[in-house]
Amino acid sequence: GQNIDQPTEMTATEGAIVQINCTYQTSGFNGLFWYQQHAGEAPTFLSYNVLDGLEEKGRFSSFLSRSKGYSYLLLKELQMKDSASYLCAPWDSNYQLIWGAGTKLIIKP
Amino acid sequence: GAVVSQHPSRVICKSGTSVKIECRSLDFQATTMFWYRQFPKKSLMLMATSNEGSKATYEQGVEKDKFLINHASLTLSTLTVTSAHPEDSSFYICSARDIAGDTGELFFGEGSRLTVL
Repeated sequence: GQNIDQPTEMTATEGAIVQINCTYQTSGFNGLFWYQQHAGEAPTFLSYNVLDGLEEKGRFSSFLSRSKGYSYLLLKELQMKDSASYLCAPWDSNYQLIWGAGTKLIIKP
Repeated sequence: GAVVSQHPSRVICKSGTSVKIECRSLDFQATTMFWYRQFPKKSLMLMATSNEGSKATYEQGVEKDKFLINHASLTLSTLTVTSAHPEDSSFYICSARDIAGDTGELFFGEGSRLTVL
């Protein structure tokens, strides 16, 4: 079966760094997306990884290990506006996005 | 970046009526659009894949006669919730993939919150 595993909730302090892990099992693999979703809003694209390694984009970085079925999203210099849910979504062999429930990130001052 | 517009953002209707939600790609063409439903604190649930010029592909458990999808052009897909009931109240989100894009990134509409009284 297809499965996504992310922590349900995480808490971090403003200005700090946080890493959100994601493990996945899919039927085939064509890359993995990370999306940010604020409550009551649609998701917004953060990153896409298809090769192993780290992709850096400003304060956000995403890492992928295809052999381990593992990815993480790294957020640096946390700001209050980063409080949101972060969704890990791999693409399976049919280019279908498989959505997990997401990780709710709470930022405290 | 590419923009997907969804309308209406909020709609309240009476039980038994039908509601139409529009999803438009404003600056790109999308042969495929996706319709999702999301319950509070839950993951996005793919309802159907909307294909321009052909019938939509529905996920298991989604009633095609209940949720009518029409993808009449490369920039517009509509979802009609027919004979809506309170249990249909939810957040409906569409997304589209730019056929010219190379990453296959999905662009999401703003979402439509449906409340059925």
